[in-house]
Amino acid sequence: TQLLEQSPQFLSIQEGENLTVYCNSSSVFSSLQWYRQEPGEGPVLLVTVVTGGEVKKLKRLTFQFGDARKDSSLHITAAQPGDTGLYLCAGAGPGGSYIPTFGRGTSLIVHP
Amino acid sequence: NAGVTQTPKFQVLKTGQSMTLQCAQDMNHEYMSWYRQDPGMGLRLIHYSVGAGITDQGEVPNGYNVSRSTTEDFPLRLLSAAPSQTSVYFCASSYSRTRASTDTQYFGPGTRLTVL
Repeated sequence: TQLLEQSPQFLSIQEGENLTVYCNSSSVFSSLQWYRQEPGEGPVLLVTVVTGGEVKKLKRLTFQFGDARKDSSLHITAAQPGDTGLYLCAGAGPGGSYIPTFGRGTSLIVHP
Repeated sequence: NAGVTQTPKFQVLKTGQSMTLQCAQDMNHEYMSWYRQDPGMGLRLIHYSVGAGITDQGEVPNGYNVSRSTTEDFPLRLLSAAPSQTSVYFCASSYSRTRASTDTQYFGPGTRLTVL
C-alpha cells in the first residue's frame, strides 16, 4: 500500500491569512488529486496534477506536484471562511494503476 | 443528472443485523467504488468495480459484499453488522476504468451508519 502523509492534520486561521498544506510519500505517483470535503457532504475534486513540477492555479488556490512526483502542496492565499473544510490528497500509482490512495486529510477552519 | 445518489442518509443497526447501502449513478460511468471514512483515517477503499459483472476487493473488504449487475447500481451489503463498522460510507464513480487515476471521481453524499 502506498502511503500519503498529509500535514498539518488541523489548521485554524483567521480570514486573510495564507496557508500551505502538504502531501508527501516515499512512493512515486503517476498523478495526484486534491479534493475538498465540506461537513456532511462527499469530497469534490479541485485539481489533478500529472507532470513532475507542474503548477496549477484555481483562483486563490495554487497546487504544485513535486519534481519527483512523490509530493504535492496546496497553497491558499488570503483564506476566506468559505475555504473551511477537509482537504484530501489522493495519489494513483505508477504504471497507470487506477486505484487511488487517499491521505488522511487536513481539516481547515477559517475564522471570520 | 442526479449524479451519484446514496440511500439511506442515516442508519442505526444492532450488532448482527444485515443491511444494504444503495448507490446509483446516472452518468454511465464504468468505475464505481465504496469507501469508508473514519475520524483521522481519511478514505479507505472497501470494494470497487470496473464494470457490470466485475468487482474486486479494496483495502478493507472484510464484512462487506458487493455486486454490480448493472452499470448504474453498486450496492454494498453488510452481512452481520459490528460496532467496528460504525462509519460514514461514500460511493464514488468515474468515467473510465483505464483512466480512473486522472478522471474525476464523483462522490455521493454519504451514509452515516451507527452499529450499536
